[in-house]
Amino acid sequence: AQSVTQLGSHVSVSEGALVLLRCNYSSSVPPYLFWYVQYPNQGLQLLLKYTTGATLVKGINGFEAEFKKSETSFHLTKPSAHMSDAAEYFCAVSVRGNEKLTFGTGTRLTIIP
Amino acid sequence: NAGVTQTPKFRVLKTGQSMTLLCAQDMNHEYMYWYRQDPGMGLRLIHYSVGEGTTAKGEVPDGYNVSRLKKQNFLLGLESAAPSQTSVYFCASRLGTSIFDEQFFGPGTRLTVL
Repeated sequence: AQSVTQLGSHVSVSEGALVLLRCNYSSSVPPYLFWYVQYPNQGLQLLLKYTTGATLVKGINGFEAEFKKSETSFHLTKPSAHMSDAAEYFCAVSVRGNEKLTFGTGTRLTIIP
Repeated sequence: NAGVTQTPKFRVLKTGQSMTLLCAQDMNHEYMYWYRQDPGMGLRLIHYSVGEGTTAKGEVPDGYNVSRLKKQNFLLGLESAAPSQTSVYFCASRLGTSIFDEQFFGPGTRLTVL
């Protein structure tokens, strides 16, 4: 069975600072990894995903994530935080042939003006 | 193209009452899912369906039933609501089993059981 662990339930960064949200996964087979964002009172929206190929994945709104097999990590980064980035972020994992996603517990990102 | 819609958006129930949440998608997706979201616990899968007429249990199925009589609709039922079922419920759909498929989420239903 696969699982993900998100380190830090709350992260605060200043506007313009680097955003780093951590995600570590556990899977006995090659994983597919996802980051979703949830704005207040809305559903989840896909930010980016890693399936195969290039390990550095670029997503929407300037976010990117790097798949590091040796570290079993898929951390989400953005060079310069914007006020509109304030939201909750979820890391998720799946494997080939599995119709289910397993979500982490989420990280709430706060941007300090 | 409305995507994934959920009805109702909010509901308050008394313990023991029943209700049905409706999820509809207009993207011709095969797979549909029901999740619940609770503070500090992320999203947990309740039930899912891999096609019309099929359903399967997820991580937390107890107290819930589902039906997928039409491809575009996925219903979640609570036969006898309990306070522990107070949560935000999200429906999602996915085209199929391709590794490139993503899940599209509805806006959620906030349910309170008193």
